[in-house]
Amino acid sequence: QLQMQESGPGLIKPAETLSLTCSVSGGSISDSRYYWAWIRQPPGKGLEWIGSIFYSGNTYYNPSLKSRVTMSVDTSKNQFSLTVTSVTAAETSLYFCARHTGSGSYYFDSWGQGALVTVSS
Amino acid sequence: SSELTQDPAVSVALGQTVNITCQGDSLSYYHASWYQLKPGQAPLLVLYAQGNRPSGIPDRFSGSTSGNTASLTITGAQAEDETDYYCSCRDSRANHLLFGGGTKLTVL
Repeated sequence: QLQMQESGPGLIKPAETLSLTCSVSGGSISDSRYYWAWIRQPPGKGLEWIGSIFYSGNTYYNPSLKSRVTMSVDTSKNQFSLTVTSVTAAETSLYFCARHTGSGSYYFDSWGQGALVTVSS
Repeated sequence: SSELTQDPAVSVALGQTVNITCQGDSLSYYHASWYQLKPGQAPLLVLYAQGNRPSGIPDRFSGSTSGNTASLTITGAQAEDETDYYCSCRDSRANHLLFGGGTKLTVL
């Protein structure tokens, strides 16, 4: 069974860069059937897709975040990462990593537990 | 537009049937998937493609689509079904993913 685990600082200051890593076990991040994604949920609010990456490094980002978001993949470590620059307090969220299918009607079939990132001075 | 719309809250009596809907233009092109979110737990896929259930999801959960509206139906709602549900869909205009705003289900 695939397992996914987010890791990274839980507290960062406004205007800093948020960095998170997702470690994948029980399956290969190089599986060409899937993309690897980040999703976030601010407290009391809904889910927001941040972006997705393929094992080759191809990326797709939410247009509203595209200018500040970078995703990368490390196949040797079976990990992928997220950076968001110039964060604000409004980006305090539970950040999830997830896997989704790569053809037809996409769906997320595996998720991490989420990592809470608080943006505060 | 590239949006998915859900009712913020729905309630159902224990053991009765409830429909949770998701509306959006992209649903005319791609199937919705549905997720159950409980505090402190990883989100759980409950339906995908044309109403398919992952292994372990009870058969009281079913799905359908009509035009640009997808529905999650719980037949015989249980107390443990009380939580938040989100729909998701591939954006028909770009290689992006969309989420609905979520529906809070209360089982009375």
